[in-house]
Amino acid sequence: GAVVSQHPSWVICKSGTSVKIECRSLDFQATTMFWYRQFPKQSLMLMATSNEGSKATYEQGVEKDKFLINHASLTLSTLTVTSAHPEDSSFYICSARDIAGTVTDTQYFGPGTRLTVL
Amino acid sequence: AQKITQTQPGMFVQEKEAVTLDCTYDTSDPSYGLFWYKQPSSGEMIFLIYQGSYDQQNATEGRYSLNFQKARKSANLVISASQLGDSAMYFCAMREVGYTGANSKLTFGKGITLSVRP
Repeated sequence: GAVVSQHPSWVICKSGTSVKIECRSLDFQATTMFWYRQFPKQSLMLMATSNEGSKATYEQGVEKDKFLINHASLTLSTLTVTSAHPEDSSFYICSARDIAGTVTDTQYFGPGTRLTVL
Repeated sequence: AQKITQTQPGMFVQEKEAVTLDCTYDTSDPSYGLFWYKQPSSGEMIFLIYQGSYDQQNATEGRYSLNFQKARKSANLVISASQLGDSAMYFCAMREVGYTGANSKLTFGKGITLSVRP
């Protein structure tokens, strides 16, 4: 299957700093990438949808200025957690689709990034 | 109403036995796709199987099969000959055609934890 990579796999940072997470589709072009957040033993919560070359669409309740998303190319999307606080500590997962617009597209997920804010 | 319902809090199965993980869904769209993902303790979401709403036959992928009962709006995952490596969290998800285009998104259930006993 298609491969999606995420970097870093884990990060620890101090409160108030910013953290950037990269998501890459390795063997396909992803016109659309999704960013999720997951708390322990819970389901994935969609944060935003990013399309290459355009602004991301954020889900209700997700702060746009807090979670900056950039989808600069067909293989790379980045999530920047700005001025991180302990409550931002979570598991962040990106996902990509290699064909846009059909209900049958399989969505492939990255391995996730565990963020811990001290 | 929840779009994807997974009510089993946790499942236990003996190694080499079959197990069924339940999933019911709610949609008014005639065209939709149903997905199952596995999430082991490492956190990576692994795509297992897909069923389209117009598919006449139940999907199968190796030891995984999907018991699709459209009238009952259920899409249960059957794992045959369970292995210790099957211990993980399993998520059912749906994509509706009403969200066509690049931004169509998956809706996830809460997940089911499966533990395989030796």
